[in-house]
Amino acid sequence: DTAVSQTPKYLVTQMGNDKSIKCEQNLGHDTMYWYKQDSKKFLKIMFSYNNKELIINETVPNRFSPKSPDKAHLNLHINSLELGDSAVYFCASSLGGVGTDTQYFGPGTRLTVL
Amino acid sequence: AQTVTQSQPEMSVQEAETVTLSCTYDTSESDYYLFWYKQPPSRQMILVIRQEAYKQQNATENRFSVNFQKAAKSFSLKISDSQLGDAAMYFCAYRRKTGNQFYFGTGTSLTVIP
Repeated sequence: DTAVSQTPKYLVTQMGNDKSIKCEQNLGHDTMYWYKQDSKKFLKIMFSYNNKELIINETVPNRFSPKSPDKAHLNLHINSLELGDSAVYFCASSLGGVGTDTQYFGPGTRLTVL
Repeated sequence: AQTVTQSQPEMSVQEAETVTLSCTYDTSESDYYLFWYKQPPSRQMILVIRQEAYKQQNATENRFSVNFQKAAKSFSLKISDSQLGDAAMYFCAYRRKTGNQFYFGTGTSLTVIP
């Protein structure tokens, strides 16, 4: 069974469009994350939710809006897509709280903005 | 803010040989967690090994082991008996004991030569 899943795996779209990436985890974790990996492979955290509450919100354009309908899902909606948004987006989850806390990653969504 | 540095953008190793990937980090905290993640061409981020800072014993997972030098803030990964399937990007990551944010290094691309 897939622990952290993302859809779609690939997304190609035109500049100016609005798109969403969905993420689901079946691990029973309390915390979920979105990362952006650029062309140089640098992983940068964007958001983190704990039990549906936003706890990390890095400096990200407000065109990016995460939505967590329940603690098993964290979707990422992007408005008015720009060329610079092209990247691989990873969803991850972790148990949350203190303790050795490993993040489990989804397979990534490669977004290409034309 | 915590920073994680991987000073080797690329490394190569002959199959069956041993290779060590370097990672240093900056923190003022005494208790935290360190991780190595592997990202093969499939893009999936896979946990390789983790270390708790309060444990002096170096973590080991089969052919993977770490050399954790807390005073030097160094956390290197040793891969023994390298296999072709070990070829990937390797990311070092730091996590505070409290809070949910991970800090990733810029990655080291490992090539395994047959």
